[in-house]
Amino acid sequence: GAVVSQHPSWVICKSGTSVKIECRSLDFQATTMFWYRQFPKQSLMLMATSNEGSKATYEQGVEKDKFLINHASLTLSTLTVTSAHPEDSSFYICSAPLGGRETQYFGPGTRLLVL
Amino acid sequence: AQSVTQLDSHVSVSEGTPVLLRCNYSSSYSPSLFWYVQHPNKGLQLLLKYTSAATLVKGINGFEAEFKKSETSFHLTKPSAHMSDAAEYFCVVSFSNTGNQFYFGTGTSLTVIP
Repeated sequence: GAVVSQHPSWVICKSGTSVKIECRSLDFQATTMFWYRQFPKQSLMLMATSNEGSKATYEQGVEKDKFLINHASLTLSTLTVTSAHPEDSSFYICSAPLGGRETQYFGPGTRLLVL
Repeated sequence: AQSVTQLDSHVSVSEGTPVLLRCNYSSSYSPSLFWYVQHPNKGLQLLLKYTSAATLVKGINGFEAEFKKSETSFHLTKPSAHMSDAAEYFCVVSFSNTGNQFYFGTGTSLTVIP
């Protein structure tokens, strides 16, 4: 079946640094990808919709300048957490739809720890 | 307003007994409904999905769910729980007016007692 990968799976960084997370659709093209964050023992919260060839669409309350999204190609979207702070520590998950809204494939997630 | 609600944040069952995880949605648009499972430190895995075909949907690992439009529900069931079923379960919905966007329920943590 379709596979979505994320890299890195784990990242630890110092406060104030920027971290880039990659999301790739491995065997299909995705003009749209979604970025979620999940705090411990909580549900996934949609952060933004990444659109190939255009600007990302951010959910209410998500800082555009803080979480930079670039949909560089039909198989790659990146999320950059700029000037990361400890409160940005979370589990970040991406997904890509295949075949309309009926099927979405999720990446394995990236766990970010900001010290 | 469109929303999805998982009524129980935590469910505990004994091994071999039935499992019922509840999910309700609210929308005037046609929904597609999904159940995903997340094991500790693992990615989300699709259990089953409803997309306007048969209302009783069978998924992997013996799980099934029934779409009941009159009750706006999509409860997940399994006749006999196994220890390996212990995980977090998410009811997810997408609506016809929001394209591919998924809305997640708050999740239900399933504990299976030996």
